[in-house]
Amino acid sequence: QSALTQPASVSGSPGQSITISCTGTSSDVGTYNLVSWYQHHPGKAPKLMIYEVTERPSGVSNRFSGSKSGNTASLTISGLQAEDEADYYCCSYAGSITYVVFGGGTKLTVL
Amino acid sequence: QVQLQESGPGLVKPSETLSLTCAVSGGSISSYYWSWIRQSPGKGLEWIGYMHYPGTTGNYNYNPSLKSRVTLSLDTSMNQFSLELSSVTAADTAVYYCATIKTGGGAFDYWGQGTLVTVSS
Repeated sequence: QSALTQPASVSGSPGQSITISCTGTSSDVGTYNLVSWYQHHPGKAPKLMIYEVTERPSGVSNRFSGSKSGNTASLTISGLQAEDEADYYCCSYAGSITYVVFGGGTKLTVL
Repeated sequence: QVQLQESGPGLVKPSETLSLTCAVSGGSISSYYWSWIRQSPGKGLEWIGYMHYPGTTGNYNYNPSLKSRVTLSLDTSMNQFSLELSSVTAADTAVYYCATIKTGGGAFDYWGQGTLVTVSS
């Protein structure tokens, strides 16, 4: 069982927006603004999409955005495209000993 | 841009030591924080540990649940990063990824494609 809780799957039609939640605790998501999100197409290298809750790395589409409220972080993808279909993982810093914890992943299907 | 490529045996026997290498191109091994992460079949991601140059005490950190079995090392001459995991069991079967840690911490910005290691007799 993963430390952070994500829905197993979400789906949406092209052009729509979807949100993936990531629920942790006051020991990780709730305390640190070091939440990151990764897009993973099976067989390929995971790709950093969001870091420090809301920041996008250079080259990542502005259709991807992140937010946090309390112990729950969220990834929103607007204007869904077929290429967005992938697995998405959240990650949070959890202190100097544990370092980071991950979510179990969410499979996004673009209908 | 940094590129990473994991390599090592795809099959390891129970109780033996798993050894993997991450070859680094496009960047110096002494310039980044390096990490190993794994994903067991059907499960989520698990952080294994990180290290940064020169790799001495204070420059690395291991997942507490794996600490007694993990050794990380840096080879500046070969520009590569290595993982050893001892006394493996079937529970260590996973895809193993190497990755760099983004400045500021807590996020991984460059990843390899991963290598599958199966623990079986």
